[in-house]
Amino acid sequence: GESVGLHLPTLSVQEGDNSIINCAYSNSASDYFIWYKQESGKGPQFIIDIRSNMDKRQGQRVTVLLNKTVKHLSLQIAATQPGDSAVYFCAENRGSGTYKYIFGTGTRLKVLA
Amino acid sequence: ETGVTQTPRHLVMGMTNKKSLKCEQHLGHNAMYWYKQSAKKPLELMFVYNFKEQTENNSVPSRFSPECPNSSHLFLHLHTLQPEDSALYLCASSQVGGRATDTQYFGPGTRLTVL
Repeated sequence: GESVGLHLPTLSVQEGDNSIINCAYSNSASDYFIWYKQESGKGPQFIIDIRSNMDKRQGQRVTVLLNKTVKHLSLQIAATQPGDSAVYFCAENRGSGTYKYIFGTGTRLKVLA
Repeated sequence: ETGVTQTPRHLVMGMTNKKSLKCEQHLGHNAMYWYKQSAKKPLELMFVYNFKEQTENNSVPSRFSPECPNSSHLFLHLHTLQPEDSALYLCASSQVGGRATDTQYFGPGTRLTVL
């Protein structure tokens, strides 16, 4: 079936190191992707997005890479900080006219001091 | 903060109670959404309102009843819920629903426990 999934449920990273969180999607028609961060007790917070006509997009300390060939999405966080500890999940939109984003279950990022 | 507020933040109710969840967005958006988030499961879309009109009901049981009096407010009326309905209920809004690049912004959620 079609799904958006995350390779690792938990990722532990040393403070100051770079983090890479991965996401696989199965629908090649998906044309818009978002990464969300969800801290404990809070709702999901938009981090960065990317359209399918791009393969890389950079934000502040974050970079999203899109590989359409293998239907893979990744979120890179540079110089990971304790405040980055949260659950991260990706979401895909399967095209204009649909309200449905398909969300992954999430990867928990733990930043070690 | 995202500009989307939800009240109450926590709610405990019995199966025979009737309660309502409230969502308000201060972003000038025209689309609003209800999601259910259960442990270890992806977000599940429940309802979508676009310009106050319901455009999506994702096969949600009738014990959940949404209401959207205007583009800034969204309610979820609850009655005769089941323990398996216990979850985090998230409200979101976006500029215009149905557009491919329409980013959804979420509220903090209401943690619902059904006894």
